[in-house]
Amino acid sequence: DTEVTQTPKHLVMGMTNKKSLKCEQHMGHRAMYWYKQKAKKPPELMFVYSYEKLSINESVPSRFSPECPNSSLLNLHLHALQPEDSALYLCASSQALGNYGYTFGSGTRLTVV
Amino acid sequence: AQSVTQPDIHITVSEGASLELRCNYSYGATPYLFWYVQSPGQGLQLLLKYFSGDTLVQGIKGFEAEFKRSQSSFNLRKPSVHWSDAAEYFCAVSFFGNEKLTFGTGTRLTIIP
Repeated sequence: DTEVTQTPKHLVMGMTNKKSLKCEQHMGHRAMYWYKQKAKKPPELMFVYSYEKLSINESVPSRFSPECPNSSLLNLHLHALQPEDSALYLCASSQALGNYGYTFGSGTRLTVV
Repeated sequence: AQSVTQPDIHITVSEGASLELRCNYSYGATPYLFWYVQSPGQGLQLLLKYFSGDTLVQGIKGFEAEFKRSQSSFNLRKPSVHWSDAAEYFCAVSFFGNEKLTFGTGTRLTIIP
């Protein structure tokens, strides 16, 4: 298995809702990442996990809450989002922290109404 | 801080013609360089990467890139493009000891018959 699987592919949520994005990989990678991508922009790093511990938080608002329950799974919990949070959320993984190159998932298209 | 510049926002080439997409990086250390491709609404696929060694790197889908330290460049090339190559292309850089992958602003490639 050489893929990063993200679910759901599309999500529409209200500003008072609570939802979660899920990311899974079975490549034995020990580093996992969340990126946010607005339309016609490059991906922007949000969080980095290494060996299931949070390594980097790029000053992301607390309405985004990451969780890494095990080495194969990465969640992003969403609560009280704003319309400007609408974007493509990409998960990625790599063998470890460092410079091995990332494998990206196909993303979750999030719309906040 | 590390940064990546892709000077061409949009490039149009004829099918069968050659292609070169430009990428320049800035930082003092030895870079780790990547090219990713993204089709509309999709995740990013790694085309090729450079860590060290031979400065001409071969990737998937017939792409290659050449690292030129003197010019701080890592340009992507393909001798003959196909209509399926139409997509957004991102150059990215990281450095030893820095887990963060920094993306350029992307180049949109359009292929005309």
